Amino acid sequence: QPVLTQPTSLSASPGASARFTCTLRSGINVGIYRIYWYQQKPGSLPRYLLRYKSDSDKQQGSGVPSRFSGYKDAATNAGLLLISGVQSEDEADYYCAIWHSSTWVFGGGTKLTVL
Amino acid sequence: QVQLQQSGPGLVKPSQTLSLTCAISGDSVSSNSAAWNWIRQSPSRGLEWLGRTYYRSKWYNDYAVSVRSRITITPDSSKNQFSLQLNSVTPEDTAVYFCTRGSGTFDYWGQGTLVTVSS
Repeated sequence: QPVLTQPTSLSASPGASARFTCTLRSGINVGIYRIYWYQQKPGSLPRYLLRYKSDSDKQQGSGVPSRFSGYKDAATNAGLLLISGVQSEDEADYYCAIWHSSTWVFGGGTKLTVL
Repeated sequence: QVQLQQSGPGLVKPSQTLSLTCAISGDSVSSNSAAWNWIRQSPSRGLEWLGRTYYRSKWYNDYAVSVRSRITITPDSSKNQFSLQLNSVTPEDTAVYFCTRGSGTFDYWGQGTLVTVSS
């Protein structure tokens, strides 16, 4: 089972919210990790969006709009990325990552389609 | 403004060594607060962190378990760059290779180099 699991796809209408999940493997407690999120548009480099561990330990990437935010769901052992007010320019792949066992581990990515 | 400029061949034969270099401008490979990474991306493996080098009064390296027996990342302070060597490559190592700065906050990236492993 992978360390980080992301759904392969997600769709959202303009103006709606999009919620991305990054589920940690059983036995790896989301509570102790900083979850990092990246956006990659076709043909472009990955862009760091934000990191989230708790409301007191979070960071927004440089120039990243506040409509991108991070959360956690302890019940499902998942890190969450929320985009409020989805725009057509948000159509991209979104990846999560954690530092685990002295290694940076990425999720497989979720492709956001803006309908 | 930090810039990372990658160089190296785009075609490597199976069993040979993949070598890439990342030249840094706007920062220092010897910075006491930065880490310098190699990450690759392929359709089959997604984003995969390979390893990093960083300086904290002395040099350190960390490598991914999947490539630990084959990888070397070397800093060069005189040229302000760092290099990747991956030995005994197979077609599975075909990917776009990126150099990046950061520890999670990978904020600056090289332009990417498509490396194809083929005879």
